[in-house]
Amino acid sequence: QLQLQESGSGLLKPSQTLSLTCAVSGGSIMSGSYAWSWIRQPPGKGLEWIGYMFDSGSTYYNPSLKSRVTISVDRSKNQFSLRLSSVTAADTAVYYCVRGGRQLVPLFDSWGQGTLVTVSS
Amino acid sequence: QSVLTQPPSVSGAPGQRVTISCSGSSSNIGAGYAVHWYQQFPGTAPKVLIAGNDKRPSGVPDRFSGSKSGTSASLVITGLRPGDEADYYCQSYDSSLRASIFGGGTKLTVL
Repeated sequence: QLQLQESGSGLLKPSQTLSLTCAVSGGSIMSGSYAWSWIRQPPGKGLEWIGYMFDSGSTYYNPSLKSRVTISVDRSKNQFSLRLSSVTAADTAVYYCVRGGRQLVPLFDSWGQGTLVTVSS
Repeated sequence: QSVLTQPPSVSGAPGQRVTISCSGSSSNIGAGYAVHWYQQFPGTAPKVLIAGNDKRPSGVPDRFSGSKSGTSASLVITGLRPGDEADYYCQSYDSSLRASIFGGGTKLTVL
């Protein structure tokens, strides 16, 4: 059974760079047909798609975050990562790594447990 | 404010039926893009409830059903149970935004 586990910095100061990693077990990131994704959820609020990467290396980002987001993959470690630069308090959220289908409307069928990232001075 | 509009809350008594709407526009649901629904309990990650407008993944009770018409989609829950209390989100794609989008979420309370 596929499992995803987020790890990374939980407390940041404004203007710093958020860096998270998602370790994938029970399946290979390179198996194809999937969009390895990041989705976030501010406390008490709804879900926001951040972006995803295909095994080919192609990336797609939410235009509202595109200038600050980088998603990358480490095939040797079977993990993928998120970097979000110049964070502000508005970036405080639970960040989920998620496997999505390769459809135009990807079905996000496997989720990590989520990790809370707090941005505070 | 979300591009997909959901009621912030709905409620119903055990055994009753409730409908959660997801209202979009011609650049998302109305353009024919699929709608997925997720269920989220407090402190946990969302789980797929309905895929591709109306398909229930294995293990999802048939008390849950989805439909789509025009620029809107709906999630119907029949035979309400206390364990159905959760937040529900719709998801689709918006061609103007070029982004996967979620509704703002609906909190279901079973009275």
